[in-house]
Order: sequence, then C-alpha cells, then structure tokens
Amino acid sequence: RKEVEQDPGPFNVPEGATVAFNCTYSNSASQSFFWYRQDCRKEPKLLMSVYSSGNEDGRFTAQLNRASQYISLLIRDSKLSDSATYLCVVTSGASSYKLIFGSGTRLLVRP
Amino acid sequence: DVKVTQSSRYLVKRTGEKVFLECVQDMDHENMFWYRQDPGLGLRLIYFSYDVKMKEKGDIPEGYSVSREKKERFSLILESASTNQTSMYLCASSLYAGGQGNGYTFGSGTRLTVV
Repeated sequence: RKEVEQDPGPFNVPEGATVAFNCTYSNSASQSFFWYRQDCRKEPKLLMSVYSSGNEDGRFTAQLNRASQYISLLIRDSKLSDSATYLCVVTSGASSYKLIFGSGTRLLVRP
Repeated sequence: DVKVTQSSRYLVKRTGEKVFLECVQDMDHENMFWYRQDPGLGLRLIYFSYDVKMKEKGDIPEGYSVSREKKERFSLILESASTNQTSMYLCASSLYAGGQGNGYTFGSGTRLTVV
C-alpha cells in the first residue's frame, strides 16, 4: 500500500466550478501535511499547509481528518490557471522529517 | 527571488557512465534533498542532507551517492548509470527539514535518459 494515495484524475471541470480532491495517508504518526501544485513540465511548489483546524487561502480550503487519515483540498470558482497536478504531501512519521509525496491529482479547467 | 539551480535541464548518458547532477541554492538553507519523479510513482526521496558533509539515505538510495562539501551545493552521483535510472531528478532545499514555513523550494529538474 502506498503511504500517500490520491485519485490520479484527471478532473475535467468548467471555469467557475467547485472541485474537491481527497488524499489518504497510511502513517498515523505523520505530523505535518501540505498541498503542492505542479504545472506541466515544471517543479512542484507549495500551495498551502494543512492544519488540524482547517485553513483557507482565498479560493482554496484544506481540511485534515486525523481519525480517518484523510486530507482534502477544495477549490472554489475554478480558473483556467488552476489547471495543474495537485500533490498531497505528509511527513513520514512522528520523529522523521522526510516528506512523502503522493502521485498527484490532475485538474483540467476548461473555458 | 530565491533559487535552486540544477546544472542541466536534459542529459543523455550511456549505460555504465558515471553521472554527476549538480544542485546549488542561494537561500542559505541547511536542508537539501534529491528526489526522482516517475509517472504513477510520485516523487521518491533518494538522499538528503541536514548539514555540510552530512548525508542520509532516503527511500531509494541504491545506485546513487551524494556529496555536500559546501552548504549551498548538493551533488547526486550515479556511480554506474543504468536504464532504470532514466527519470526526472529534482533537487530541493528548505529552511525547516519538515517542510514547514515556506516549504521545499525545488529546482526545475534534470531529465536524465540513460541509453
């Protein structure tokens, strides 16, 4: 079983739509959680950290459910520029600071 | 603008060659990482370093070694390149080892093809 699992997609949505991505992780001791964004043929870039209380950054909302070992990312009012692959990232355990990357969920926003 | 610079964007090497991938960061970060990215497998950690001359194995270190003689430079070495090392290689650096704060800053990657 992969340590971080994501639906690869692609999610194909019209501009203005709301779309949600989910991610599950296997190590209950993981402490830190993130979403990264990777554009085609580019390097990953940090989109946002994910906090236990949930957090919002403009049109983006991230949620963490520790009991279910589940992380989500909600994008409201999708823009064409949101088209990218979204990587779910967790630290590998309580004492380790290695980041484990999911394979990513691809989002295509159409006009 | 802060940067992680990888020396080559594309490389083609022959099986058995020794290959050096160079990475330089200008952010005075102590933590540096080498990942490879393959379709369907995501990013997998090869080696990382928390300080000069310090290195630790990641999840897939076999066939690789690293060198960190200066804080700003972290080199990945393929001792004897093989076709299964054909991949995209990404270097990253961070202020915090666990990726907090501004997270990891990645270089633009080196696409290595071993023929």
